[in-house]
Amino acid sequence: KAGVTQTPRYLIKTRGQQVTLSCSPISGHRSVSWYQQTPGQGLQFLFEYFSETQRNKGNFPGRFSGRQFSNSRSEMNVSTLELGDSALYLCASSISRGLGETQYFGPGTRLLVL
Amino acid sequence: DQQVKQNSPSLSVQEGRISILNCDYTNSMFDYFLWYKKYPAEGPTFLISISSIKDKNEDGRFTVFLNKSAKHLSLHIVPSQPGDSAVYFCAATPDTGNQFYFGTGTSLTVIP
Repeated sequence: KAGVTQTPRYLIKTRGQQVTLSCSPISGHRSVSWYQQTPGQGLQFLFEYFSETQRNKGNFPGRFSGRQFSNSRSEMNVSTLELGDSALYLCASSISRGLGETQYFGPGTRLLVL
Repeated sequence: DQQVKQNSPSLSVQEGRISILNCDYTNSMFDYFLWYKKYPAEGPTFLISISSIKDKNEDGRFTVFLNKSAKHLSLHIVPSQPGDSAVYFCAATPDTGNQFYFGTGTSLTVIP
């Protein structure tokens, strides 16, 4: 079974631009979560989608948004990029939302904002 | 506010010895705890988990211990192998929703 895939793997943008990242979960997985990883901060939860609805949201500004499609694929959008948005963005999928459901991570998209 | 903390950014251990990675949390609502392992240029991979109703869970060379009163968990790797060299993240989630809180990671180096 194919794992979680994320595109693109690397991205360079300039301040003020916007970016869209894509995540394809493992087949059959309906929950998709997004995380931002920066040095010294670990993985910070952005949001979680399940059945095309945002179920949880972390403490990030409104410039960070996302959506999930009927095939469970998800996109994350960051508008008006800032230098501090440079990070590794990880997507994780799980079969459902039950306690104990293991999340499977993709390789991430490394975003550099200049 | 970091609700899950890994206070040791790095750890070096000789091959064959025990590796002990520690994690502390502040939120008493956390009900389920996990450890992930991450190699460079890859996403984290699930290693082992433990429910708050247990105090120990074992899987091969990996054992996770949970001390709820101290809000502390640890991962023991015995014996350590060079292939275990990676960054280890602990994570926790409350029994509501699907939101995971991660620590900042501990970089483990196993010296041959």
